[in-house]
Order: sequence, then C-alpha cells, then structure tokens
Amino acid sequence: QKEVEQDPGPLSVPEGAIVSLNCTYSNSAFQYFMWYRQYSRKGPELLMYTYSSGNKEDGRFTAQVDKSSKYISLFIRDSQPSDSATYLCAMSAGTGGFKTIFGAGTRLFVKA
Amino acid sequence: GAVVSQHPSRVICKSGTSVKIECRSLDFQATTMFWYRQFPKQSLMLMATSNEGSKATYEQGVEKDKFLINHASLTLSTLTVTSAHPEDSSFYICSARGGPGNEQFFGPGTRLTVL
Repeated sequence: QKEVEQDPGPLSVPEGAIVSLNCTYSNSAFQYFMWYRQYSRKGPELLMYTYSSGNKEDGRFTAQVDKSSKYISLFIRDSQPSDSATYLCAMSAGTGGFKTIFGAGTRLFVKA
Repeated sequence: GAVVSQHPSRVICKSGTSVKIECRSLDFQATTMFWYRQFPKQSLMLMATSNEGSKATYEQGVEKDKFLINHASLTLSTLTVTSAHPEDSSFYICSARGGPGNEQFFGPGTRLTVL
C-alpha cells in the first residue's frame, strides 16, 4: 500500500462546476498537507498549505484535512478552463529532514 | 509564494557529455533542497535531498556518481548529470524548502534531451 493514494483521473467537468479532489494516506505522523497545481511541462505550483486538521480557503480554492479519517480534499469553485492541470497532493511529518510524500496527481480537464 | 528559479530551462546535449543544472531560491534561504525527476504523465520521483554544506542524501536506485549534487549556499544547489546517455533524458525539477512556513516551492523545471 502506498503512503499516499490519489486517483490519477482524468477528471473532466464543465466550466463553472465545483471540483472535488481527494487523497488518502496511511501515515498518522503526517502533519503538513499541501496541494500543488502542475501545468504541462512546468514545475508544480504551491496552491494550498495546511498544518494539522481543519479547513483553509483561498479565493476559489478550499483545502480540507481530516486527520481522523486520513483524508484530505481540495475543492475548486466556479471552475475555469484555466484550472485544467494536474493536481498533486503532498504531505510530510515535519520540516527539516522530513521527506514530502506526493500523490500520483489527478489530471483535471475543465471544458468551456 | 516564494520564487525558485532553475537554469537552463531546456538543454540538448550529445551522449557522453556532462550537463549542469542550477537551482536558486530567489527570495528566501533554503535550508533543504530537493531534486526530482519526472517522466511524461508520471508523478515526481525524488532523486536526492541536500542540505547546505553537507553531502546529499540519495534515494535508493539513484547513482550518486552519475548525478552529482552540490548545495554550496543557502540559495544555490546544482545537479550535474555526468556522462549523460539517452535514458537520462527527462524533466528535472528542483525544489527548495525554507520559506516562512517551511513550505516547499518548486522551480520551473529543466527538460534534458540527450541525443
């Protein structure tokens, strides 16, 4: 079993839809949770960064962490064609020498 | 967010030559830098982790004599692919950790093509 599981998709939605992206994990020591967006042939861009459980909102993006269920989500409201990209979840147990473990990434297509 | 630059963005070289890729954190000091490799439509594969002033820690299966990493300062790390071969062709991405919240930021990547 992988430490972080993420459905690779692809996920196709119409413009304006609410998108839900999810990851599950097995290591209860993870405390830092991140979502990255990666466009084709570009480096990943940090979208959301959350410590421990709870919700965090930034514009059209909301990140949720449920440590009791070992489940994290990223919601995108009013999705746009420009949101079409691969979204990677990532998590680590700490800073310093702790590795960041990435999900496989979910490919999202938002159709105009 | 913090900015990480990478140079060159694209390089084409002949088999047997060495290629150096630079990674810089532009507006923060990176205590830790990471080097990843990514094949088309696949996720990131961590190659090595480096801390300023110390030797890099390589992941299992990554040849440290082939992929030389130097983390000379808190803002600069380099990856040298020595005696490159066509199978080394890939997208190499660096990442730096050390921003205000110790988040991890990525560079734009370097596409290496070995002929």
